Amino acid sequence: QKEVEQDPGPLSVPEGAIVSLNCTYSNSAFQYFMWYRQYSRKGPELLMYTYSSGNKEDGRFTAQVDKSSKYISLFIRDSQPSDSATYLCAMRRIKAAGNKLTFGGGTRVLVKP
Amino acid sequence: GAVVSQHPSWVICKSGTSVKIECRSLDFQATTMFWYRQFPKQSLMLMATSNEGSKATYEQGVEKDKFLINHASLTLSTLTVTSAHPEDSSFYICSAQPPGLIDGYTFGSGTRLTVV
Repeated sequence: QKEVEQDPGPLSVPEGAIVSLNCTYSNSAFQYFMWYRQYSRKGPELLMYTYSSGNKEDGRFTAQVDKSSKYISLFIRDSQPSDSATYLCAMRRIKAAGNKLTFGGGTRVLVKP
Repeated sequence: GAVVSQHPSWVICKSGTSVKIECRSLDFQATTMFWYRQFPKQSLMLMATSNEGSKATYEQGVEKDKFLINHASLTLSTLTVTSAHPEDSSFYICSAQPPGLIDGYTFGSGTRLTVV
């Protein structure tokens, strides 16, 4: 079993809809949680990062962390075709050796005009 | 914002030759950088952690002698793929953590390596 599970998709939504993404994890030591967006043949771009449980909002993006359920989510409001990309969740422990990140497998999102 | 520059963005080389990929932090110092490999439609696989002034830490299963990492300064880490073979063809990405940004690791734009 992988430490971080993420549905690979693809997730197809119409323009303007809310995109809902999530990851589950098994290691309760994870404390820092991130979401990255990756366009084809490009490096990942940081969208959101949160510490421990709670919600964080930034523009059209909302990240939620529920440590009791070992479940994190990313919501994208008013989705645009330019949001079509692969979304990766990532997390790490507080005292991870070398501060390594553990990634989910990524969810491919397609926003149709 | 913090920028990590990676060069080249793509490279084609012949089997048996070596290829060097550079990763630079443009506006911050990075004592630690990370090198990843990514296959099509798959997630990032951490290859090694590059430490300025000391030896890199490789993940299990990654050949140290094939993937040479040098972190000679606080702004530059290099990955050299030695004696490349077609199975080494992949997308290689580096990342670094800017100071003050708790966990927002910044990634380079990646290097697509094709070995023919």
